[in-house]
Amino acid sequence: GESVGLHLPTLSVQEGDNSIINCAYSNSASDYFIWYKQESGKGPQFIIDIRSNMDKRQGQRVTVLLNKTVKHLSLQIAATQPGDSAVYFCAENYGGSQGNLIFGKGTKLSVKP
Amino acid sequence: KAGVTQTPRYLIKTRGQQVTLSCSPISGHRSVSWYQQTPGQGLQFLFEYFSETQRNKGNFPGRFSGRQFSNSRSEMNVSTLELGDSALYLCASSLIVGVTTGELFFGEGSRLTVL
Repeated sequence: GESVGLHLPTLSVQEGDNSIINCAYSNSASDYFIWYKQESGKGPQFIIDIRSNMDKRQGQRVTVLLNKTVKHLSLQIAATQPGDSAVYFCAENYGGSQGNLIFGKGTKLSVKP
Repeated sequence: KAGVTQTPRYLIKTRGQQVTLSCSPISGHRSVSWYQQTPGQGLQFLFEYFSETQRNKGNFPGRFSGRQFSNSRSEMNVSTLELGDSALYLCASSLIVGVTTGELFFGEGSRLTVL
């Protein structure tokens, strides 16, 4: 949306560099994790997901890492482009119900040309 | 294929009024869910509808309600508006109920300002 957070953590990277966005989740019972991207004026868009029986999953230019021991999730974006500038949210879920889908507060990624 | 369409995109109301927001899901999607997004609380789940039935409800007061029609279109209503209801209200559609895949398709939202 137009303003998704007044005091979001911000990550500023140079175009072409790799970006790493981190997320701590809260529920050790969560078994499914999702990353969303939200550009200004738009709704969140699915990027990649991972289930708790995996610790790494790769997509196109993105990789998600899951560390269940410390309840930590990260999103790596390779060769970051200006079009990657957005707010990135992680979300955790257990049991498959949307009522148990908990979103993080988000990280704003700013890509400098 | 058209995406999720929400109307209106922007609206301003005063305290005590009520508001109705509309959502048309992607063609073929039968699940419609609603989320509230604020700077302070982030994205919070309101409710989910599938086949005209509410399947799940978040932790919001009874002033927040919704419904789904036979064509899968959905509306949500907020009565007796409070200043704290100012938010971006997002609708998401998916083929199936629940979150077995993360592919919820979100609309661009309805920005509600309560004065």
